[in-house]
Amino acid sequence: DQQVKQNSPSLSVQEGRISILNCDYTNSMFDYFLWYKKYPAEGPTFLISISSIKDKNEDGRFTVFLNKSAKHLSLHIVPSQPGDSAVYFCAVRSNSNSGYALNFGKGTSLLVTP
Amino acid sequence: EAGVTQSPTHLIKTRGQQATLRCSPISGHTSVYWYQQALGLGLQFLLWYDEGEERNRGNFPPRFSGRQFPNYSSELNVNALELEDSALYLCASSWGLAGGPRNEQFFGPGTRLTVL
Repeated sequence: DQQVKQNSPSLSVQEGRISILNCDYTNSMFDYFLWYKKYPAEGPTFLISISSIKDKNEDGRFTVFLNKSAKHLSLHIVPSQPGDSAVYFCAVRSNSNSGYALNFGKGTSLLVTP
Repeated sequence: EAGVTQSPTHLIKTRGQQATLRCSPISGHTSVYWYQQALGLGLQFLLWYDEGEERNRGNFPPRFSGRQFPNYSSELNVNALELEDSALYLCASSWGLAGGPRNEQFFGPGTRLTVL
């Protein structure tokens, strides 16, 4: 059973516009949420994260929003650039003694067109 | 600073054989994580090693195993290969338990395993 869901496999956005990537999770024990970006033939790279005690975290063009009551996470990219075209994975981590392994969604492929 | 490295880049095996994948973490990192990305699926957590010990494993059968060496590099072994083991296997490293819960994982480029 998928505990982290990214329901949009792909998204196409024009350069300069906002990209919004969404993620839903099922387990309220998750307490740390991350976004990773992946280019072809490379491993995922960390983009931005947010702790469950916050509802927003901003880093330059990237902002992550967390709605704990809805168990929903979103990543906003403003303005979108062609170099942002990649697969974006939402990942969550639970606060438990089982360590810091991540649960990933299936990813959303973002295409930013000029 | 060198990132996480994995070898080989590609590996082709036949059903029933064994595969060995290798990972070298970033210098100073003590934790190594293994993930599997099968076609159409997200990254699935396989194994976590820290300070030479297996700390946790995901929902995979025992024929997936591994170890971590004194220099913190790691090996993933997959025995009795099945067709559905064909996937991209990613290794990640981090500072380990001492790094705390905000411990970012850095990923290698992966090993593409094909089972024929």
